[in-house]
Amino acid sequence: AQSVTQLGSHVSVSEGALVLLRCNYSSSVPPYLFWYVQYPNQGLQLLLKYTSAATLVKGINGFEAEFKKSETSFHLTKPSAHMSDAAEYFCAVTKNRDDKIIFGKGTRLHILP
Amino acid sequence: GAGVSQSPRYKVTKRGQDVALRCDPISGHVSLYWYRQALGQGPEFLTYFNYEAQQDKSGLPNDRFSAERPEGSISTLTIQRTEQRDSAMYRCASSLASDRPGVGNTIYFGEGSWLTVV
Repeated sequence: AQSVTQLGSHVSVSEGALVLLRCNYSSSVPPYLFWYVQYPNQGLQLLLKYTSAATLVKGINGFEAEFKKSETSFHLTKPSAHMSDAAEYFCAVTKNRDDKIIFGKGTRLHILP
Repeated sequence: GAGVSQSPRYKVTKRGQDVALRCDPISGHVSLYWYRQALGQGPEFLTYFNYEAQQDKSGLPNDRFSAERPEGSISTLTIQRTEQRDSAMYRCASSLASDRPGVGNTIYFGEGSWLTVV
């Protein structure tokens, strides 16, 4: 069965610093991986997704993630944090032929002025 | 509509009462999903529909939970004889096509319905 583990339920970075949110996956087949973001009082929004086309995936708002099969990881990064990036971020996985998306527990990103 | 619309946004109910949560997906979207999210947890899959057909209900916790989408558009998630452990946010989402929606088609989430059972 597919699953994802997000390391750190809370991450704090200074404005302008590198953002790194960690996600490791478990899958019996090559997975499809996603990062979703939830801003306060809003629904979940897709940031980016990996569908085997390229290992480095660029998303919205300057975020990107790299699929590393050898490390079973799909960490989310952004070179320079902005105050507006404060939100909760969810890593998610699905199998090729499975329509269910399985979410991690989420990481809340705090941006320090 | 412009986005996935859920109602009510907030619901407080007494233990033992039935509740119905409504989801109005984006117009034209074929697939509709229900997730539940407890505090401090990620969304947990409950069930999903393609058109009016319920494709997978393996995530429904027990037989007190049911969902329907009779005309392939609006869906209702019903919880009978509510218990305190049912308190959570219930999220609805929709996607354009039915073919591998989790991969080839972006899933759009509503803002959720907060359910509190007292």
